[in-house]
Amino acid sequence: RKEVEQDPGPFNVPEGATVAFNCTYSNSASQSFFWYRQDCRKEPKLLMSVYSSGNEDGRFTAQLNRASQYISLLIRDSKLSDSATYLCVVTPSGGYQKVTFGTGTKLQVIP
Amino acid sequence: DAGVTQSPTHLIKTRGQQVTLRCSPKSGHDTVSWYQQALGQGPQFIFQYYEEEERQRGNFPDRFSGHQFPNYSSELNVNALLLGDSALYLCASSFPDYQETQYFGPGTRLLVL
Repeated sequence: RKEVEQDPGPFNVPEGATVAFNCTYSNSASQSFFWYRQDCRKEPKLLMSVYSSGNEDGRFTAQLNRASQYISLLIRDSKLSDSATYLCVVTPSGGYQKVTFGTGTKLQVIP
Repeated sequence: DAGVTQSPTHLIKTRGQQVTLRCSPKSGHDTVSWYQQALGQGPQFIFQYYEEEERQRGNFPDRFSGHQFPNYSSELNVNALLLGDSALYLCASSFPDYQETQYFGPGTRLLVL
């Protein structure tokens, strides 16, 4: 089983739609969770951190379910500019943090 | 405020050759991590440098080595290149206690023929 798994997609959704991605992780000791966004042929950029209580940033909502070991990202009112690959990131506890990326979920928002 | 910079942007090598990639961290950051991203995959952690020492390593062979300089810049060296080493190599910098907030450079695209 991979340490971090994501549905690669692509998810093709119309503008204005709501879309959700899940990401599962295998290490129950994982402590920190993030979503990164990567545009085609560009570097990944931090989208948001994921907290146990869940967190929201505008149209984006991230949630963590430790019992089932998954994190989710919800995008409301999708925009064309949301088209990108969304990477789930998990780091373990401890001083030196080896960051593990998922393979990414590709989102294409269609006019 | 300069972000993370990497050089070169593109590189073409042949099998068996050696390559050196360079990274300058974001101003104020002293921790540098290197990743390999194959086409269609997520970035794979190679190693991390802090205080000029490698302090964490992913599942990469010894052909992959690195170095960090006193000014926190870093190099990634790959020896005996294989076709499978063709990928985007990303450098990310951070503070040591907030490694999760990593800032990535634009990457170096390496093609091995």
